[in-house]
Amino acid sequence: DQQVKQNSPSLSVQEGRISILNCDYTNSMFDYFLWYKKYPAEGPTFLISISSIKDKNEDGRFTVFLNKSAKHLSLHIVPSQPGDSAVYFCAASGGHDMRFGAGTRLTVKP
Amino acid sequence: DTEVTQTPKHLVMGMTNKKSLKCEQHMGHRAMYWYKQKAKKPPELMFVYSYEKLSINESVPSRFSPECPNSSLLNLHLHALQPEDSALYLCASSQGQGYNEQFFGPGTRLTVL
Repeated sequence: DQQVKQNSPSLSVQEGRISILNCDYTNSMFDYFLWYKKYPAEGPTFLISISSIKDKNEDGRFTVFLNKSAKHLSLHIVPSQPGDSAVYFCAASGGHDMRFGAGTRLTVKP
Repeated sequence: DTEVTQTPKHLVMGMTNKKSLKCEQHMGHRAMYWYKQKAKKPPELMFVYSYEKLSINESVPSRFSPECPNSSLLNLHLHALQPEDSALYLCASSQGQGYNEQFFGPGTRLTVL
């Protein structure tokens, strides 16, 4: 049972435009959400997080939005850069462990 | 030092072999994790150690045996594995169990013949 879902396996965006990656979760006990970025042959790298008491968290070009009623979060990257090309994992935590989505491969074209 | 290191990077083993995966961090983190990741799938949690004690075992078969010798080291002992156990094994650490972001190592690519 996949509790965290990323329904888009891939996304292609032009450099300078906005990238929007989406994530849905089913477990209402999740109260902390994270985005990780993964390059080939490397482990996932923490990018940005949000607690369930917030609906937005911003860090430079990266903004995460949380809609608790819809059990949905999204990651916005603006402006997108070719170096952002990677696999992005959404993760959700309910206290003791963390569940990951299947990932979305983002390709930013120059 | 904000790095989690894992050795070896690649491992090929037969079904009768015994091998170990190693993970190390020097960030003072008190929680360490093992994940298994198959191709095009999300990382799946296997074990969690909190303050050097096993706190979560996600119903992992006994052919995988974790060990936490001290707060900086985490091992995964492998014995009598099956070909379907071939995967990327990721180690992670965090300040504490639960809320804190986890720092991941690069993983060990395991192939079981």
